[in-house]
Amino acid sequence: ILNVEQSPQSLHVQEGDSTNFTCSFPSSNFYALHWYRWETAKSPEALFVMTLNGDEKKKGRISATLNTKEGYSYLYIKGSQPEDSATYLCASREYGGATNKLIFGTGTLLAVQP
Amino acid sequence: DAGVIQSPRHEVTEMGQEVTLRCKPISGHNSLFWYRQTMMRGLELLIYFNNNVPIDDSGMPEDRFSAKMPNASFSTLKIQPSEPRDSAVYFCASTPGGGRETGELFFGEGSRLTVL
Repeated sequence: ILNVEQSPQSLHVQEGDSTNFTCSFPSSNFYALHWYRWETAKSPEALFVMTLNGDEKKKGRISATLNTKEGYSYLYIKGSQPEDSATYLCASREYGGATNKLIFGTGTLLAVQP
Repeated sequence: DAGVIQSPRHEVTEMGQEVTLRCKPISGHNSLFWYRQTMMRGLELLIYFNNNVPIDDSGMPEDRFSAKMPNASFSTLKIQPSEPRDSAVYFCASTPGGGRETGELFFGEGSRLTVL
């Protein structure tokens, strides 16, 4: 059973602070790592899908890195803004067969104070 | 383009009643997923379908839960009889599928179920 863990559970920062959080996942049979942003009362939306060891992706002030050998990914937010407040979910997909089974972590709740 | 459509958005029912949640995936997507969101366990995968065929239902809690996908544009998740511990937000998601893509999920807005 795939076990995806995220830390911290929650994070409170001031506007303008930069922050980062961690996702760890089993490195064996790794296929892909997803990051989703989930605002309250909305549905999760994909931020990044990463597959290659050492990969780094960026979208505006948000970036993510991937280490498949040791089984972790970092999500960074530079200069946090109140609109960045959301739960950030990571999910891992194993390699094997024609499946799309994603297992999610429990998320990191980010609150950005103006 | 329409996204994943779920109904109802909110359901309040009494223990013992049957509950049916519905999902219409994005047209052309071949894989459909049912997830349950709770405070304690986060997003749990209940079941997923490829080309209307259930592939993995190991996350379905017990026999009270069942899911069907009679065609490519419709799926149901049924709970019979419902219990208070079933209270959660149930998400449906779809993806182009086929096993070759990276599998980004497109989520519906969820169905919030409260069982009294």
